[in-house]
Amino acid sequence: NAGVTQTPKFQVLKTGQSMTLQCAQDMNHEYMSWYRQDPGMGLRLIHYSVGAGITDQGEVPNGYNVSRSTTEDFPLRLLSAAPSQTSVYFCASSYRFTGVDNSPLHFGNGTRLTVT
Amino acid sequence: DAKTTQPPSMDCAEGRAANLPCNHSTISGNEYVYWYRQIHSQGPQYIIHGLKNNETNEMASLIITEDRKSSTLILPHATLRDTAVYYCIVRPGGGNNRKLIWGLGTSLAVNP
Repeated sequence: NAGVTQTPKFQVLKTGQSMTLQCAQDMNHEYMSWYRQDPGMGLRLIHYSVGAGITDQGEVPNGYNVSRSTTEDFPLRLLSAAPSQTSVYFCASSYRFTGVDNSPLHFGNGTRLTVT
Repeated sequence: DAKTTQPPSMDCAEGRAANLPCNHSTISGNEYVYWYRQIHSQGPQYIIHGLKNNETNEMASLIITEDRKSSTLILPHATLRDTAVYYCIVRPGGGNNRKLIWGLGTSLAVNP
């Protein structure tokens, strides 16, 4: 298994540009999520999904869109990039969202985004 | 949801045990303690979790106090590759990952 794969690894955008960060997992995980990590702050949840066709907002959703058309893929779209969105973005998945399963999160290796 | 408190940094000599403490004094009865680590430039990696009993796996041991207000992650023979930021998190049993609160963790430096 490749686990959680994120592409691209690095990206530079100009203010106002749009782009999609890709995330794919091959573990048949029900739950997928996007976090951002900024210096001096813990990981913050942007959006999450509990299955294909179901998404919801996390702590910091503004400026980002997501969709989940398949179990495997969970892309994150920046609609109009702003310098405040300069960050490292991590995709994470787990087998279940809730329930008796306490399976941990599996993370990708991140996308480092700079918005100028 | 319980928050955790960890020292910002620690040092450990290579080959010695690294003992990383975590306070979670407001933990509820059904909340689990999870540990992850993040090696530079990589995504966080799961290490271990527990509810009230001590746990051990191939990576580490987790010691939870009887009152469950604190825990210690033990890396029995630290190597240079264990240099990372270690995160202690509490999660409701059967609860959703949406409610995880990630702090800044403990930056562990393993020195030769």
